[in-house]
Amino acid sequence: NAGVTQTPKFQVLKTGQSMTLQCAQDMNHEYMSWYRQDPGMGLRLIHYSVGAGITDQGEVPNGYNVSRSTTEDFPLRLLSAAPSQTSVYFCASSLTLTPGGGELFFGEGSRLTVL
Amino acid sequence: AQSVAQPEDQVNVAEGNPLTVKCTYSVSGNPYLFWYVQYPNRGLQFLLKYITGDNLVKGSYGFEAEFNKSQTSFHLKKPSALVSDSALYFCARQGDAGNMLTFGGGTRLMVKP
Repeated sequence: NAGVTQTPKFQVLKTGQSMTLQCAQDMNHEYMSWYRQDPGMGLRLIHYSVGAGITDQGEVPNGYNVSRSTTEDFPLRLLSAAPSQTSVYFCASSLTLTPGGGELFFGEGSRLTVL
Repeated sequence: AQSVAQPEDQVNVAEGNPLTVKCTYSVSGNPYLFWYVQYPNRGLQFLLKYITGDNLVKGSYGFEAEFNKSQTSFHLKKPSALVSDSALYFCARQGDAGNMLTFGGGTRLMVKP
């Protein structure tokens, strides 16, 4: 079982460059999300999706775009990278968002450095 | 806004001793509370959750957590710590609306031999 797969694991960008972090899950989960992890700040929700064709903003959406054309894939796009976007990014999926049932399955993370 | 707080950045404990990692939550609706663990260079893994019912919840790897409504706390506990328990621990909550999880800042647990 692959679970949640993220690529790339590491990436270095220059300010102003764009890139896409890929996320795929093979568990047929309806709900997918992107978090960023910064020291002392825990994980903060960037964007999430409740199904193919449906996306919504989380706590820190600025500078990021997402799309959900299939159930399996949920790519995160950085439009014009800034040093403030240096972080570790996690993709997570969930079978349900029923209150109390929202156990998340996480990928192994993508470490992004913006110079 | 719904939130969780982890008041300790780091907890140090000797192997074999009991451990506690603290979490408090803001009072807003029914709290659905979770604990996750993150080992170095890995994603987060689910440990346990509280939905309703028994205030003592048992989870993976011998961990348990105690829900205390009067103190708005959900502390993670283990009777006897192992060196292999050393990791980053996150408390999280989900609200009534079935929205995505909100995480605390994390607590690093260091278990020394």
